Amino acid sequence: GAGVSQTPSNKVTEKGKYVELRCDPISGHTALYWYRQSLGQGPEFLIYFQGTGAADDSGLPNDRFFAVRPEGSVSTLKIQRTERGDSAVYLCASSPTRRGGATQYFGPGTRLLVL
Amino acid sequence: AQTVTQSQPEMSVQEAETVTLSCTYDTSESDYYLFWYKQPPSRQMILVIRQEAYKQQNATENRFSVNFQKAAKSFSLKISDSQLGDAAMYFCAYKSGTASKLTFGTGTRLQVTL
Repeated sequence: GAGVSQTPSNKVTEKGKYVELRCDPISGHTALYWYRQSLGQGPEFLIYFQGTGAADDSGLPNDRFFAVRPEGSVSTLKIQRTERGDSAVYLCASSPTRRGGATQYFGPGTRLLVL
Repeated sequence: AQTVTQSQPEMSVQEAETVTLSCTYDTSESDYYLFWYKQPPSRQMILVIRQEAYKQQNATENRFSVNFQKAAKSFSLKISDSQLGDAAMYFCAYKSGTASKLTFGTGTRLQVTL
């Protein structure tokens, strides 16, 4: 079956602009995660959805970052007033459940460059 | 807070040889899971192998195996019969049994030479 997909693959924007990054999880997966990967680093957790609700948003760096998952499937990560420091690869993952060691399956990421 | 440390930024191995990537972690929990993910230049994180902390037996997946030392909080990955396609970044990750997120190390870049 289809894996996790993310669009766009690459996004270039100017400082101060608004961007939306989309994630389409594996069909039937109830848990969805967003991570951010800066150059030379491992991914860092941003937010986790169980169904439609954000169950854990403790990783969002500030209030410029917001994510939604209105129908419990596709999720959108929204970044307002982008800054150069937001440049990174944004990874989305999904899993059939959040319980225990359920494997998280990752998408190919969106590389965001803020000029 | 849990931390994951990968002390080898880069490793190199010859094709068909064996290489071991190191990972240590810090936690006070007893219920947790450990993972190794591979990230090729395509950026997609691919699960290589996983280990449940409550299992004493080391996990194996074909040419990949782990050495899980719970008391030492060590979780190394052994790749046997290395292939050119194994060249990638490898990330060690920790997940609490009660939380949702993965905590990653900084990664080890593996080169495979002829």
